[in-house]
Amino acid sequence: RKEVEQDPGPFNVPEGATVAFNCTYSNSASQSFFWYRQDCRKEPKLLMSVYSSGNEDGRFTAQLNRASQYISLLIRDSKLSDSATYLCVVNVFGYSTLTFGKGTMLLVSP
Amino acid sequence: GAVVSQHPSRVICKSGTSVKIECRSLDFQATTMFWYRQFPKQSLMLMATSNEGSKATYEQGVEKDKFLINHASLTLSTLTVTSAHPEDSSFYICSARANEKLFFGSGTQLSVL
Repeated sequence: RKEVEQDPGPFNVPEGATVAFNCTYSNSASQSFFWYRQDCRKEPKLLMSVYSSGNEDGRFTAQLNRASQYISLLIRDSKLSDSATYLCVVNVFGYSTLTFGKGTMLLVSP
Repeated sequence: GAVVSQHPSRVICKSGTSVKIECRSLDFQATTMFWYRQFPKQSLMLMATSNEGSKATYEQGVEKDKFLINHASLTLSTLTVTSAHPEDSSFYICSARANEKLFFGSGTQLSVL
């Protein structure tokens, strides 16, 4: 089983739609969770950290379910500029590196 | 946020030549930097962890003699791809931790002809 698994997509949605991405991780000792955004041929950029109680940043909402080892990202009112690949990233406490999922591609159309 | 600068952004070279990629932390000191490689439609794969003043730690399957890493100061790590081959063509990205978050350089697209 892969350490961090994501649906590769692509997810094709119209502007204004709500879209949800899911991610599962295999290491139950994982402590930190993040969503990164990566545009084509660009470096990943931190979108938001994911906290146990769930957290929201504008149109973006992240949820964590430790029992199921599952993370989600919800994007409301999709914009054309949201088109990118969204990477689920997990860190095991005490390790200095992060484990990346392959990413889910989102394409928002007019 | 912290700034990580990576150069060059794109390199095209002949097979057999060596290519050096630089990664700098501009507004913070980074005792540890990370080098990743990403093939098209694949996830970032950690190649090695670069430690200031000591030897880099390479991930399994990464040849240390082919991918030379030097971390001579708290703000600079370099990755040298020696005797490059077409299969080394990839997107190479460095990163460094600051404030418990990971910040990335802008990446280097290497094309070996």
